[in-house]
Amino acid sequence: QSALTQPASVSGSPGQSITISCTGTSSDVGRYNYVSWYQQHPAKAPKLMISDVSDRPSGVSNRFSGSKSGNTASLTISGLQTEDEADYYCSSYTTSSTWVFGGGTKLTVL
Amino acid sequence: QVQLVESGGGLVKPGGSLRLSCAASGFTFSDHYMSWIRQAPGKGLEWVSYISNGGDTRYYADSVKGRFTISRDNGKNSLYLQMNSLRDEDTAVYYCARGGVARWPHWGQGTLVTVSS
Repeated sequence: QSALTQPASVSGSPGQSITISCTGTSSDVGRYNYVSWYQQHPAKAPKLMISDVSDRPSGVSNRFSGSKSGNTASLTISGLQTEDEADYYCSSYTTSSTWVFGGGTKLTVL
Repeated sequence: QVQLVESGGGLVKPGGSLRLSCAASGFTFSDHYMSWIRQAPGKGLEWVSYISNGGDTRYYADSVKGRFTISRDNGKNSLYLQMNSLRDEDTAVYYCARGGVARWPHWGQGTLVTVSS
Protein backbone atom coordinates (compact mmCIF):
# COMPACT_ATOMS: atom_id res chain seq x y z
CA GLN A 1 0.00 0.00 0.00
CA SER A 2 2.50 2.63 -1.13
CA ALA A 3 1.27 6.20 -1.14
CA LEU A 4 0.52 7.93 -4.40
CA THR A 5 3.16 10.49 -5.41
CA GLN A 6 2.28 14.18 -5.34
CA PRO A 7 4.56 17.23 -5.42
CA ALA A 8 5.09 18.57 -1.92
CA SER A 9 4.23 22.10 -2.95
CA VAL A 10 3.00 24.21 -5.83
CA SER A 11 2.39 27.92 -6.08
CA GLY A 12 0.72 30.42 -8.33
CA SER A 13 -0.50 33.97 -8.50
CA PRO A 14 -4.16 34.99 -8.36
CA GLY A 15 -5.79 34.42 -11.71
CA GLN A 16 -3.24 31.88 -12.88
CA SER A 17 -3.75 28.15 -13.37
CA ILE A 18 -1.88 25.36 -11.62
CA THR A 19 -1.84 21.60 -11.98
CA ILE A 20 -1.13 19.04 -9.29
CA SER A 21 -0.07 15.58 -10.39
CA CYS A 22 -0.78 12.30 -8.63
CA THR A 23 1.21 9.29 -9.77
CA GLY A 24 0.31 5.74 -8.86
CA THR A 25 0.62 2.35 -10.47
CA SER A 26 -1.31 -0.02 -12.68
CA SER A 27 -2.83 -1.44 -9.48
CA ASP A 28 -4.54 1.77 -8.46
CA VAL A 29 -4.69 4.98 -10.52
CA GLY A 30 -4.02 3.17 -13.79
CA ARG A 31 -6.53 0.41 -13.10
CA TYR A 32 -9.65 2.24 -11.99
CA ASN A 33 -11.39 5.55 -12.61
CA TYR A 34 -11.87 5.81 -8.84
CA VAL A 35 -9.55 8.76 -8.31
CA SER A 36 -10.76 11.56 -6.07
CA TRP A 37 -9.27 14.85 -4.87
CA TYR A 38 -9.70 16.56 -1.49
CA GLN A 39 -9.02 20.09 -0.32
CA GLN A 40 -8.06 20.63 3.31
CA HIS A 41 -7.69 23.96 5.05
CA PRO A 42 -5.77 24.09 8.34
CA ALA A 43 -7.57 22.38 11.21
CA LYS A 44 -10.52 21.50 8.98
CA ALA A 45 -11.87 18.23 7.65
CA PRO A 46 -11.07 17.39 4.03
CA LYS A 47 -13.57 18.43 1.37
CA LEU A 48 -14.28 16.43 -1.77
CA MET A 49 -13.43 18.48 -4.87
CA ILE A 50 -13.30 15.87 -7.66
CA SER A 51 -14.48 12.26 -7.82
CA ASP A 52 -14.30 9.51 -10.43
CA VAL A 53 -11.27 11.25 -12.01
CA SER A 54 -13.14 14.26 -13.37
CA ASP A 55 -16.60 14.62 -11.78
CA ARG A 56 -17.22 17.77 -9.82
CA PRO A 57 -19.68 17.51 -6.92
CA SER A 58 -22.48 20.00 -6.68
CA GLY A 59 -21.29 23.24 -5.13
CA VAL A 60 -17.64 22.90 -6.17
CA SER A 61 -16.43 25.69 -8.41
CA ASN A 62 -15.96 24.87 -12.09
CA ARG A 63 -12.47 26.29 -11.73
CA PHE A 64 -11.54 22.83 -10.44
CA SER A 65 -11.09 20.02 -12.97
CA GLY A 66 -9.57 16.56 -13.01
CA SER A 67 -8.08 14.24 -15.59
CA LYS A 68 -6.08 11.04 -15.88
CA SER A 69 -3.54 9.58 -18.26
CA GLY A 70 -2.14 6.15 -17.59
CA ASN A 71 -0.97 5.91 -13.99
CA THR A 72 -1.08 9.67 -13.38
CA ALA A 73 -4.07 11.75 -12.40
CA SER A 74 -4.11 15.53 -12.33
CA LEU A 75 -6.04 18.30 -10.62
CA THR A 76 -6.12 21.66 -12.35
CA ILE A 77 -7.26 24.85 -10.67
CA SER A 78 -7.83 27.76 -13.00
CA GLY A 79 -8.31 31.40 -12.07
CA LEU A 80 -6.52 30.93 -8.75
CA GLN A 81 -8.08 32.68 -5.78
CA THR A 82 -6.61 33.31 -2.36
CA GLU A 83 -9.15 30.96 -0.75
CA ASP A 84 -7.75 28.10 -2.86
CA GLU A 85 -4.64 28.13 -0.67
CA ALA A 86 -4.82 24.77 1.11
CA ASP A 87 -3.48 21.23 1.10
CA TYR A 88 -4.71 18.93 -1.66
CA TYR A 89 -4.78 15.14 -1.55
CA CYS A 90 -5.53 12.59 -4.25
CA SER A 91 -6.88 9.15 -3.49
CA SER A 92 -7.46 5.95 -5.43
CA TYR A 93 -9.08 2.59 -4.92
CA THR A 94 -6.67 -0.32 -5.40
CA THR A 95 -6.74 -3.91 -6.61
CA SER A 96 -6.22 -5.01 -3.01
CA SER A 97 -9.65 -3.63 -2.04
CA THR A 98 -7.96 -0.85 -0.13
CA TRP A 99 -7.58 2.86 -0.69
CA VAL A 100 -4.41 4.89 -0.95
CA PHE A 101 -3.81 8.63 -0.62
CA GLY A 102 -1.13 10.83 -2.02
CA GLY A 103 1.26 12.52 0.37
CA GLY A 104 -0.46 15.86 -0.14
CA THR A 105 0.42 19.06 -1.96
CA LYS A 106 0.54 22.45 -0.29
CA LEU A 107 -0.82 25.11 -2.63
CA THR A 108 0.41 28.63 -2.00
CA VAL A 109 -1.34 31.53 -3.72
CA LEU A 110 1.27 34.26 -3.93
CA GLN B 1 -28.12 17.76 6.11
CA VAL B 2 -25.55 15.02 6.51
CA GLN B 3 -23.83 15.07 9.88
CA LEU B 4 -21.10 12.81 11.16
CA VAL B 5 -19.90 13.33 14.73
CA GLU B 6 -16.95 11.35 16.04
CA SER B 7 -16.24 10.75 19.72
CA GLY B 8 -14.16 8.54 21.94
CA GLY B 9 -10.72 9.94 21.28
CA GLY B 10 -8.24 10.68 24.05
CA LEU B 11 -4.90 9.84 25.60
CA VAL B 12 -3.99 6.17 25.90
CA LYS B 13 -0.77 4.33 26.75
CA PRO B 14 1.02 2.15 24.20
CA GLY B 15 -0.56 -1.28 24.18
CA GLY B 16 -3.87 0.11 25.34
CA SER B 17 -7.29 0.12 23.72
CA LEU B 18 -9.82 2.71 22.67
CA ARG B 19 -13.21 2.60 20.95
CA LEU B 20 -14.19 5.38 18.61
CA SER B 21 -17.79 6.13 17.68
CA CYS B 22 -19.33 8.08 14.84
CA ALA B 23 -22.95 9.22 15.13
CA ALA B 24 -24.62 9.74 11.76
CA SER B 25 -27.69 11.81 10.96
CA GLY B 26 -29.39 13.50 8.04
CA PHE B 27 -29.38 10.46 5.78
CA THR B 28 -30.36 6.78 5.70
CA PHE B 29 -27.31 5.34 7.42
CA SER B 30 -28.02 1.74 6.42
CA ASP B 31 -27.82 2.65 2.72
CA HIS B 32 -24.22 3.82 2.80
CA TYR B 33 -20.71 2.41 3.00
CA MET B 34 -18.53 4.00 5.67
CA SER B 35 -14.82 4.40 6.30
CA TRP B 36 -12.35 5.56 8.93
CA ILE B 37 -9.50 7.76 7.72
CA ARG B 38 -6.77 9.19 9.94
CA GLN B 39 -4.24 11.98 9.86
CA ALA B 40 -1.16 12.03 12.06
CA PRO B 41 -0.14 15.48 13.34
CA GLY B 42 1.36 17.48 10.49
CA LYS B 43 1.08 14.52 8.12
CA GLY B 44 -1.13 13.39 5.27
CA LEU B 45 -4.31 11.37 5.13
CA GLU B 46 -4.27 7.60 5.58
CA TRP B 47 -7.22 5.33 4.91
CA VAL B 48 -7.75 2.95 7.85
CA SER B 49 -10.83 0.80 7.33
CA TYR B 50 -14.04 0.32 5.34
CA ILE B 51 -17.35 -1.37 6.07
CA SER B 52 -20.18 -2.10 3.67
CA ASN B 53 -23.68 -0.81 4.32
CA GLY B 54 -24.82 -4.13 5.74
CA GLY B 55 -21.62 -4.70 7.67
CA ASP B 56 -20.77 -7.97 5.97
CA THR B 57 -17.70 -6.69 4.12
CA ARG B 58 -14.78 -5.07 5.93
CA TYR B 59 -11.35 -4.03 4.74
CA TYR B 60 -8.33 -2.78 6.67
CA ALA B 61 -5.04 -1.07 5.95
CA ASP B 62 -2.05 -3.32 6.55
CA SER B 63 -0.88 -0.94 9.29
CA VAL B 64 -3.92 -1.75 11.48
CA LYS B 65 -4.93 -5.24 10.36
CA GLY B 66 -5.33 -7.59 13.30
CA ARG B 67 -5.43 -4.71 15.80
CA PHE B 68 -8.42 -2.61 14.73
CA THR B 69 -12.01 -3.73 14.14
CA ILE B 70 -14.62 -1.70 12.31
CA SER B 71 -18.29 -2.26 13.02
CA ARG B 72 -21.63 -0.53 12.70
CA ASP B 73 -25.08 -0.54 14.28
CA ASN B 74 -27.59 0.50 11.65
CA GLY B 75 -30.34 0.61 14.25
CA LYS B 76 -28.39 3.26 16.15
CA ASN B 77 -27.02 5.05 13.06
CA SER B 78 -23.53 4.55 14.43
CA LEU B 79 -20.12 3.51 13.19
CA TYR B 80 -17.38 2.21 15.47
CA LEU B 81 -13.66 1.55 15.46
CA GLN B 82 -12.27 -0.71 18.17
CA MET B 83 -8.54 -0.07 18.44
CA ASN B 84 -6.38 -2.54 20.38
CA SER B 85 -2.63 -2.85 20.91
CA LEU B 86 -2.22 0.83 20.19
CA ARG B 87 1.18 2.14 19.13
CA ASP B 88 2.78 5.58 19.13
CA GLU B 89 2.30 5.71 15.35
CA ASP B 90 -1.48 5.40 15.74
CA THR B 91 -1.53 8.93 17.13
CA ALA B 92 -3.76 10.89 14.76
CA VAL B 93 -7.03 12.63 14.18
CA TYR B 94 -9.52 9.95 13.17
CA TYR B 95 -12.26 10.91 10.73
CA CYS B 96 -15.32 8.91 9.85
CA ALA B 97 -16.40 9.41 6.28
CA ARG B 98 -19.47 8.40 4.32
CA GLY B 99 -18.68 6.94 0.98
CA GLY B 100 -17.83 3.95 -1.08
CA VAL B 101 -15.40 2.87 -3.70
CA ALA B 102 -15.13 6.09 -5.62
CA ARG B 103 -15.35 8.92 -3.14
CA TRP B 104 -15.93 10.26 0.36
CA PRO B 105 -18.27 13.24 0.00
CA HIS B 106 -18.98 13.64 3.71
CA TRP B 107 -16.57 13.74 6.62
CA GLY B 108 -16.91 14.30 10.34
CA GLN B 109 -14.84 16.86 12.23
CA GLY B 110 -12.50 14.20 13.59
CA THR B 111 -11.48 12.97 17.03
CA LEU B 112 -7.89 13.04 18.29
CA VAL B 113 -6.24 9.87 19.53
CA THR B 114 -2.93 10.29 21.32
CA VAL B 115 -0.87 7.22 22.16
CA SER B 116 1.85 8.09 24.64
CA SER B 117 3.32 6.86 27.88
